[in-house]
Amino acid sequence: EVQLLESGGGLVQPGGSLRLSCATSGFTFTSFTMSWVRQSPGKGLEWVSSLSAAGTTTYYADSVKGRFTISRDTSKNTVYLQVNSLRAEDTGVYYCAKRLSRDGYNYYFDYWGQGTLVTVSS
Amino acid sequence: SYVLTQPPSVSVAPGQTARITCGGNNIGSTSVHWYQQKPGQAPVLVVYDDSDRPSGIPERFSGSNSGNTATLTISRVEAGDEADYYCQVWDNNRDHGVVFGGGTRLTVL
Repeated sequence: EVQLLESGGGLVQPGGSLRLSCATSGFTFTSFTMSWVRQSPGKGLEWVSSLSAAGTTTYYADSVKGRFTISRDTSKNTVYLQVNSLRAEDTGVYYCAKRLSRDGYNYYFDYWGQGTLVTVSS
Repeated sequence: SYVLTQPPSVSVAPGQTARITCGGNNIGSTSVHWYQQKPGQAPVLVVYDDSDRPSGIPERFSGSNSGNTATLTISRVEAGDEADYYCQVWDNNRDHGVVFGGGTRLTVL
């Protein structure tokens, strides 16, 4: 059974930092791109960042580029999101998601974690 | 960048059919995926590649995609289907092209 379990969220002041974790199980961790998707309160889904299956390529939304860093520990089957220089608009639930495609061109997220809440406020 | 347009809300009586649309320029030429998100819960994939269902998703959920509109159809709607629904495509014109629609709140009357 595929499981994704996020942790690390919390209340942080503007300009502060957090490290979000997503512990995974039930699939071959190094065979899939892993992503972070966030949702501001009462708003829709926003893709934030992805890390390729090989662990060599990272992708970021323009809104977080230069402030967030995605990484992983293959010995723990865990993906991380280091979030720095936080702003009020970064407030929201951060979901970890496993990416999949049948044709190598059209990707979707077949499993999601339960999310971890990040609140940026003074 | 590619934009997906969804109606903010759709209402339907129990037992009826709900249709949630997702509009995009020539969206029929790409694959559309749909997620269900109940209040306080994580999104769940309910349809992928236009019309396929993951294991465990009821046959009442179906999808279609043609021209400039993709549609998620929920037949014999139940109270438990009340949720937000998001469409998503992959924009291959971008480096990492995840695109979500704005979401549709399905209300079961």
